[in-house]
Amino acid sequence: QQQVKQSPQSLIVQKGGIPIINCAYENTAFDYFPWYQQFPGKGPALLIAIRPDVSEKKEGRFTISFNKSAKQFSLHIMDSQPGDSATYFCAATLSGNTPLVFGKGTRLSVIA
Amino acid sequence: DTGVSQDPRHKITKRGQNVTFRCDPISEHNRLYWYRQTLGQGPEFLTYFQNEAQLEKSRLLSDRFSAERPKGSFSTLEIQRTEQGDSAMYLCASSAIGYTFGSGTRLTVV
Repeated sequence: QQQVKQSPQSLIVQKGGIPIINCAYENTAFDYFPWYQQFPGKGPALLIAIRPDVSEKKEGRFTISFNKSAKQFSLHIMDSQPGDSATYFCAATLSGNTPLVFGKGTRLSVIA
Repeated sequence: DTGVSQDPRHKITKRGQNVTFRCDPISEHNRLYWYRQTLGQGPEFLTYFQNEAQLEKSRLLSDRFSAERPKGSFSTLEIQRTEQGDSAMYLCASSAIGYTFGSGTRLTVV
C-alpha cells in the first residue's frame, strides 16, 4: 500500500517556467511534509517542509501549497533553471523525527 | 565535515557473500535511519535507532539484514547471503529536528 502518491513521474519545462509536482497522502495522522531534491549519485537533500497548520510556505524560489481537506500538497519551483534538473521526492511522517514515507519521485528536466 | 558519512560509496559483491556498510551520523543527532532506494523509486524505510536502541524495523528488513549502533554513534548495516534483489542504494540519515542524508552506498550483487 503506497501511502504517498506522487505525480507526474517526469516533467520537462523551459527555463523560467514553473514546474508543479503533486502529492497525495492517505494517513490523516501525518503532520510533517518535506520535499527533497536528489542529484544522481547523491543522497536526498531537504528543500522545504510544511506542517498542516499552514496552507502555503515559501523559501526562495520554492513554494509548498497544502490542502488538508483534500490530503494533497504540491511543490512549485519559480523561475526554474537548468541547475534545478534533478529528481524531487515528497514525503510525509507522523512527526518531524520519525521514519519518512516517500513518494516515487518526479524527474525534472529544465531546458534552456 | 559535519554531514552524514557513508562507507563504502560503492560495493560489488558476488551472490551469497556477506557485506557490511557503515554510517557516521552528524555527531549531535540522536536518531539514525537506514533506507533502501532502487532505481526510479523513492527511498524505502528499513530501520532506525534512537541512540543505541533500535526502535523499529520494516518488514522489508528480512532476517538476512541486521543493523547495529553500538554506543549510539556510528551504525553498521550487514546483509548476509546477498541476493541479486539486494542490489540498491543504501542510504543513511540522521536527525535531531530535520533529516540529513548521506550520499549512500551503491550495492551491486553479481
